[in-house]
Amino acid sequence: EVQLLESGGDLVQPGGSLRLACVASGFTFSSYAMSWVRQAPGKGLEWVSTISGSGSPTYYADSVRGRFTISRDNSKNTLYLQVNSLRAEDTAVYYCARVSVGYWGQGTLVTVSS
Amino acid sequence: DIQMTQSPSSLSASVGDRVTITCRASQGIRDDLGWYQQKPGKAPKRLIYAASSLQSGVPSRFSGSASGTEFTLTISSLQPEDFATYYCLQHNSYPYTFGQGTKLEIK
Repeated sequence: EVQLLESGGDLVQPGGSLRLACVASGFTFSSYAMSWVRQAPGKGLEWVSTISGSGSPTYYADSVRGRFTISRDNSKNTLYLQVNSLRAEDTAVYYCARVSVGYWGQGTLVTVSS
Repeated sequence: DIQMTQSPSSLSASVGDRVTITCRASQGIRDDLGWYQQKPGKAPKRLIYAASSLQSGVPSRFSGSASGTEFTLTISSLQPEDFATYYCLQHNSYPYTFGQGTKLEIK
């Protein structure tokens, strides 16, 4: 059974940083691109970033480019999202997903507030 | 960037009704489109992939179709558990883009 389990969400002040993690199981993690998608409270879904199975190339939404960094550790079956220079508008549930087959985790909440 | 224009933004319908939700892409995306259902507090669940293929385990009352850059999700006979928000997602090119969502409510 495929599982994606996110962690790392927290309440953080504007300008702060977090590292989100997503542990994958049930498939050969290193073979597949993985993505982060977010959803602000009461809003729609927004694609954030994707990384290939090997770790390169990577892709980012304009809204996060230069502030967020996606990475992966295939030896640990783990996907990461380093989020820096956080803004109030980054408040959202962050999901990791294997978009190509529709596998999604349950999400981790990031709240940016003073 | 590819824009996905989804309509309607909300829809009231009754159990047993047939409903249709549409996404129009701003340029060609082949069949690189999925339809998702999301219920409050839950992760999105994919219903349709490759524009018209039914995800395993999804009831056959859900179907997808495509005509050029217009994509349609149809629910043939609404059930109580189908009241939710629906999104399309294009994954043809980066940035991936979602439709704005359709909230399906009970009439």
